[in-house]
Amino acid sequence: ETGVTQTPRHLVMGMTNKKSLKCEQHLGHNAMYWYKQSAKKPLELMFVYSLEERVENNSVPSRFSPECPNSSHLFLHLHTLQPEDSALYLCASSQEQGNNSPLHFGNGTRLTVT
Amino acid sequence: KNQVEQSPQSLIILEGKNCTLQCNYTVSPFSNLRWYKQDTGRGPVSLTIMTFSENTKSNGRYTATLDADTKQSSLHITASQLSDSASYICVVYGNNRLAFGKGNQVVVIP
Repeated sequence: ETGVTQTPRHLVMGMTNKKSLKCEQHLGHNAMYWYKQSAKKPLELMFVYSLEERVENNSVPSRFSPECPNSSHLFLHLHTLQPEDSALYLCASSQEQGNNSPLHFGNGTRLTVT
Repeated sequence: KNQVEQSPQSLIILEGKNCTLQCNYTVSPFSNLRWYKQDTGRGPVSLTIMTFSENTKSNGRYTATLDADTKQSSLHITASQLSDSASYICVVYGNNRLAFGKGNQVVVIP
């Protein structure tokens, strides 16, 4: 149990579908993150939320839309994705954003876009 | 060019043997360096975190070293076990950013 729970674990969707990824952290952390992990590439930071406010958006296409309703929950809404968006999407949290506290990752959602 | 380079990309070792993974970085200014272990189908889990003033830090059979002058770190696994099969990711924090390596894929065989 990592303290960060992601659902679903696996998702297959067509390019015209709309789906959402969910992340919940039970660690009392103030910052939450979405990362994309593709094969043989470093983790790519997508979004950062600190105290429920988005503080960073790394030029992510608008077909990815994050939502942070409170400090414990983070969503990633997906629509009209492309096959190259197939990857492992990792949620993480940390005590604070931008300092030395380590990231705590969930186990990810394996997304396949057909 | 990635700011964090790891080598070897992958290696296979016999159970009980030792191995060393390398991480070179160009991140500046430097704040800290972290090693994560990622099992297949799981998220990364923190093994060690080292700041500028720390040369070595251990976590059980894992020992990380840091040379901030040459911007190099290593992760040494002692007496490897089958459960050590995983990807080991080097992450460097500096300039308010985290820079990730691609990972070292380790396979331990009986």
